[in-house]
Amino acid sequence: EIVLTQSPATLSLSPGERATLSCRASQSVSSYLAWYQQKPGQAPRLLIYDASNRVTGIPARFSGSGSGTDFTLTISSLEPEDFAVYYCQQRSSWPPFGQGTRLEIK
Amino acid sequence: EVQLVESGGGLIQPGGSLRLSCAASGFTVSSNYMSWVRQAPGKGLEWVSVIYSSGSTYYADSVRGRFTISRDNSKNTLYLQLNSLRAEDTAMYYCASQGPYSTGWLGYWGQGTLVTVSS
Repeated sequence: EIVLTQSPATLSLSPGERATLSCRASQSVSSYLAWYQQKPGQAPRLLIYDASNRVTGIPARFSGSGSGTDFTLTISSLEPEDFAVYYCQQRSSWPPFGQGTRLEIK
Repeated sequence: EVQLVESGGGLIQPGGSLRLSCAASGFTVSSNYMSWVRQAPGKGLEWVSVIYSSGSTYYADSVRGRFTISRDNSKNTLYLQLNSLRAEDTAMYYCASQGPYSTGWLGYWGQGTLVTVSS
């Protein structure tokens, strides 16, 4: 079983600031990691897959990096619509999701 | 346009059964990795079950033996049969597919159907 630990649990920032979200795996998942965004009342949305590939239509301010056990989702300059919950997911074993990071407006 | 539309949720007593449906359009269910993911109120995402294009299926420990994932290729629809329901199965259930991405990623999601298990 591979456990994904996301930090921080909650991140309070202001629009225009840079957000850095972390996802750490209990063992290597190579580059098989994805990031999802979920807004209240909505289904999750895939943002990043294979650690650093941005989904078509996702703004360039979103970027993913990392490999092995340490991964980062960076939002370079927060827009009001970016405040949401973010989940990382690996596809190497069950269960696949991290517990989420809530990005809230400061 | 790709669309996933879930239905079948509702209020059910503990021990009861439900069948959730996920009607797909814009792509072929049988050619895709399809999953059910649930989210209890105020909680995170929990992957419930998956069916590969090969037909192989997998289940979370929490639902194995009680839930069954299946698909009807003629209707291009994914199903989740929920039996022996418990209060802890109360959640929004999402249907999701890999979309144009590698197996294991969930590129397309439905809007969800709510299952409430309560007496």
